[in-house]
Amino acid sequence: DSGVTQTPKHLITATGQRVTLRCSPRSGDLSVYWYQQSLDQGLQFLIQYYNGEERAKGNILERFSAQQFPDLHSELNLSSLELGDSALYFCASSRTLGPTDTQYFGPGTRLTVL
Amino acid sequence: EDKVVQSPLSLVVHEGDTVTLNCSYEVTNFRSLLWYKQEKKAPTFLFMLTSSGIEKKSGRLSSILDKKELFSILNITATQTGDSAIYLCAVEAWQGAQKLVFGQGTRLTINP
Repeated sequence: DSGVTQTPKHLITATGQRVTLRCSPRSGDLSVYWYQQSLDQGLQFLIQYYNGEERAKGNILERFSAQQFPDLHSELNLSSLELGDSALYFCASSRTLGPTDTQYFGPGTRLTVL
Repeated sequence: EDKVVQSPLSLVVHEGDTVTLNCSYEVTNFRSLLWYKQEKKAPTFLFMLTSSGIEKKSGRLSSILDKKELFSILNITATQTGDSAIYLCAVEAWQGAQKLVFGQGTRLTINP
């Protein structure tokens, strides 16, 4: 158990809908990262927040957005869902922004878009 | 564009064999290379490598980094069925913030 929690575990929804995935980092971690893992794309970095502020953006679509709240939990919002958005979404956290700070992964949320 | 390439993509061996997994990379502002093991769900951290030529070891697993040739290897000796997993290599680039670029992973299957 990494100490990072994600809810829900599974989510099944229809195309065109909007969902919110939630992540609570390990106690004391200030940095939260979101990743998408699909069968054909592997693990892709989406976005990073540090202490409430966006710090780095990866391959995140405009239909997706995220935020980190004052209590440091983070939410990833996915809207106008398409079949291709079906994937495992991971959240990871690390203590700081430090370049050698290890990231610890949550268990993931499996999103299925029908 | 930052890139991490792992090989082989898939490997099937018998219990007791030794395996070597490869990871090569091209990233801007390299900081470290990490290995993760992914079984059913979330990746779990194995090693972080920052310096060339220094082997990191944990039980039957070991890893080494070559920053001149831009690659790393992960060795597993005396493999067991519990080693069956996807092994992910990720390279940390520093671009104002920490950014991890992952390889496609190597799916390792250990047959009894």
